[in-house]
Amino acid sequence: NAGVMQNPRHLVRRRGQEARLRCSPMKGHSHVYWYRQLPEEGLKFMVYLQKENIIDESGMPKERFSAEFPKEGPSILRIQQVVRGDSAAYFCASSPVPDGQPQHFGDGTRLSIL
Amino acid sequence: ILNVEQSPQSLHVQEGDSTNFTCSFPSSNFYALHWYRWETAKSPEALFVMTLNGDEKKKGRISATLNTKEGYSYLYIKGSQPEDSATYLCAFDQTNAGKSTFGDGTTLTVKP
Repeated sequence: NAGVMQNPRHLVRRRGQEARLRCSPMKGHSHVYWYRQLPEEGLKFMVYLQKENIIDESGMPKERFSAEFPKEGPSILRIQQVVRGDSAAYFCASSPVPDGQPQHFGDGTRLSIL
Repeated sequence: ILNVEQSPQSLHVQEGDSTNFTCSFPSSNFYALHWYRWETAKSPEALFVMTLNGDEKKKGRISATLNTKEGYSYLYIKGSQPEDSATYLCAFDQTNAGKSTFGDGTTLTVKP
């Protein structure tokens, strides 16, 4: 049973470009969570999605960031017009139901902004 | 904003030492407390889920306790081994709505 798959593992973008990070949850999991780890900091919640719905986006920056989890295909975290401060590791996790069960994490995408 | 604090931030012990560290969380509106183990260059892996005050969980040499009334959980490692070196994260669920608030972790280094 494949785990949470994130791609790409590493992504380099120039300032002003767009970054698209993909996350395929574990089979049977319909709940997806995105976290950001800035350099020297811990994991910070960004957004929680179910299929076709954003449940909680309280951790998302108000501008340039968006997330989706379509009916078919992976969840996408999209960052428009990237800036140096967006350089971070972005982790995706999934769970079958959000009733206190542990989340299963992907290996993350390391985003570097030149 | 929920405050989940872990202490110490880092810990260096010798092989064979036993150690413990703390996770503090808000004592009101508790739903679940998770411990994860995060090795360098890997992804966090779940160790324990704790839901009831007084819960004790054990997996090999690692165990955890939970006090929801005072808002803390302890993680214990007995007879540390170099392969225990990792960052240990706790995550607090205030409700069953899915969102976990993570602490910044305790990074354990076990020297042979």
